[in-house]
Amino acid sequence: ETGVTQTPRHLVMGMTNKKSLKCEQHLGHNAMYWYKQSAKKPLELMFVYNFKEQTENNSVPSRFSPECPNSSHLFLHLHTLQPEDSALYLCASSLSVTGGGAETQYFGPGTRLLVL
Amino acid sequence: AQSVTQLGSHVSVSEGALVLLRCNYSSSVPPYLFWYVQYPNQGLQLLLKYTSAATLVKGINGFEAEFKKSETSFHLTKPSAHMSDAAEYFCAVSDRRTGFQKLVFGTGTRLLVSP
Repeated sequence: ETGVTQTPRHLVMGMTNKKSLKCEQHLGHNAMYWYKQSAKKPLELMFVYNFKEQTENNSVPSRFSPECPNSSHLFLHLHTLQPEDSALYLCASSLSVTGGGAETQYFGPGTRLLVL
Repeated sequence: AQSVTQLGSHVSVSEGALVLLRCNYSSSVPPYLFWYVQYPNQGLQLLLKYTSAATLVKGINGFEAEFKKSETSFHLTKPSAHMSDAAEYFCAVSDRRTGFQKLVFGTGTRLLVSP
């Protein structure tokens, strides 16, 4: 595998379910990001991790719980979601968060989530 | 806070025609600027970025963008559209003052290419 991979690609869950999204990067990067992409809205940055440490939580509801066990893996644990949480969830990585702001972020293909 | 505006949620062109996608930023200090493309069922891919070297930036697939400080713009162009260019295009900014990698995206422009 190369680049940034995400599993599953599609997920349907009820509001009482618990599920997890997985992201893995094979680029040797140290920073990882979760974004939410909803129709007709800009990409929303949710969480940022740098060297496994969370550096940003963009006022995300607690029903979304991120986990970064190492620099290559990032999870998003989901529980008691709402229908408005249905969206495409994108993972990205970059060399570092503190690289000056000009670094390229590399994106995975996303997980399409539908909450019923 | 920095922001970016993309004029036109949809742009339609014929194959072979000029492609022009507009992006304006709001910042007192020129930011780093990026254009990403998203093909159906895929993640975002970097087309090009401006990091304060040359103001005319060339990217992949024949795209280029010109940074114009006086107009606070970073419009994306391609001389001749191809059917494979049909996708959604996102402009993004990153604040060079903070030193942190944090992108703020526009709402995107969907490019439609007709034969």
